[in-house]
Amino acid sequence: AIQLTQSPSSLSASVGDRVTITCRASQGFSSALAWYQQKPGKAPNLLIYDASSLESGVPSRFSGSGSGTDFTLTISSLQPEDFATYFCQQFNNYPHELTFGGGTKVEIK
Amino acid sequence: EVQLVESGGGLVQPGRSLRLSCAASGFTFHDYAMDWVRQAPGKGLEWVSGISWNSGSIGYADSVKGRFTISRDNAKNSLYLQMNSLRVEDTALYYCAKVSPRGKEFDMWGQGTMVTVSS
Repeated sequence: AIQLTQSPSSLSASVGDRVTITCRASQGFSSALAWYQQKPGKAPNLLIYDASSLESGVPSRFSGSGSGTDFTLTISSLQPEDFATYFCQQFNNYPHELTFGGGTKVEIK
Repeated sequence: EVQLVESGGGLVQPGRSLRLSCAASGFTFHDYAMDWVRQAPGKGLEWVSGISWNSGSIGYADSVKGRFTISRDNAKNSLYLQMNSLRVEDTALYYCAKVSPRGKEFDMWGQGTMVTVSS
């Protein structure tokens, strides 16, 4: 099964900062990579699908890029409501294989 | 209102069984694949199982294969997870999640139901 490694596992940033989170796959796959945001006590919320497509209703400060084994989520200007944990997720040969990254917690500096 | 509502969680002893349910509303349930995803306390997300719209294709994580069974009843707009031979490591918040029309990610989640396996 494909493994997804996110880095960093946590980061501290200030409002207005540009934040980049990386998701690296143990082997290459299609662009079917998604990013989610999860706030404490809440279910995850889809941000990005197909590596770079913005889900409807998600602010444009969120963007995704990458292909093959290396993917990135970028928040162009961190807002107070963006402090949360972010997960990447890949789909390959659904429904037999679906994997989440370990998560990146974005905290207030 | 578009929502997923899980139920059936609770405290159970190791080796026992539990059946989770997920009631869907506000969308055409039978058009979409559905999955279960769990999250142990303070940990990340772990995919558990998925089922296609017509139950024709089903998958399980290795950690639950042979112990858990996913099913759905499209007439009742409901998803189920039968969990047998429960282990302490199955303790987690179990989310029901709707697969997007693209079929590759989750565009709707329930609030989760907590399963605690402990003697």
